[in-house]
Amino acid sequence: GAVVSQHPSRVICKSGTSVKIECRSLDFQATTMFWYRQFPKQSLMLMATSNEGSKATYEQGVEKDKFLINHASLTLSTLTVTSAHPEDSSFYICSAERAPRAFFGQGTRLTVV
Amino acid sequence: AQSVAQPEDQVNVAEGNPLTVKCTYSVSGNPYLFWYVQYPNRGLQFLLKYITGDNLVKGSYGFEAEFNKSQTSFHLKKPSALVSDSALYFCAVRPSSGNTPLVFGKGTRLSVIA
Repeated sequence: GAVVSQHPSRVICKSGTSVKIECRSLDFQATTMFWYRQFPKQSLMLMATSNEGSKATYEQGVEKDKFLINHASLTLSTLTVTSAHPEDSSFYICSAERAPRAFFGQGTRLTVV
Repeated sequence: AQSVAQPEDQVNVAEGNPLTVKCTYSVSGNPYLFWYVQYPNRGLQFLLKYITGDNLVKGSYGFEAEFNKSQTSFHLKKPSALVSDSALYFCAVRPSSGNTPLVFGKGTRLSVIA
């Protein structure tokens, strides 16, 4: 089956710094990737749709200047959390589309101290 | 707009007993339906999907789900639960047309008790 690799799996950063999370489709090309955020004991909340070669589409309430998404190639999308604050601490998950299925990364646990 | 309802936050079942995790959905047109499982601090693992064809879908680890169009349901089932099945289960839907993201239910935590 298709594999999506997400890195890092866990990161701790200081408040005010930026963190980059990578999502790679290892054995297929994905023109569309999605970024989700999951709070403890809650479902996945779609943050944005990442399209290769174009600007990401953000869901309502998600700050595009805070959560920078870049999808520069068909196998890589990155999410950068800029000027991170403790409230940004969460579990972030990416998925890459290979219709009709979505393949998910392992997730990244971000802790901002 | 599409939506998914998982009416149970928690399901408890004894090991060896059958389990059911409920899911109902709302979507425009024909649905693509999915079940995923999540273990602590891990991403989602695919269990099974319904795209078309037989209403009873068999998936990984002995799980199956039945698509019921009239009841707009896609309940997850397993004939005999294992302690290792204890995890968080998500039902998800997307319309069959268009490149749209999955919409997830809130999740159901399954606890299988030895």
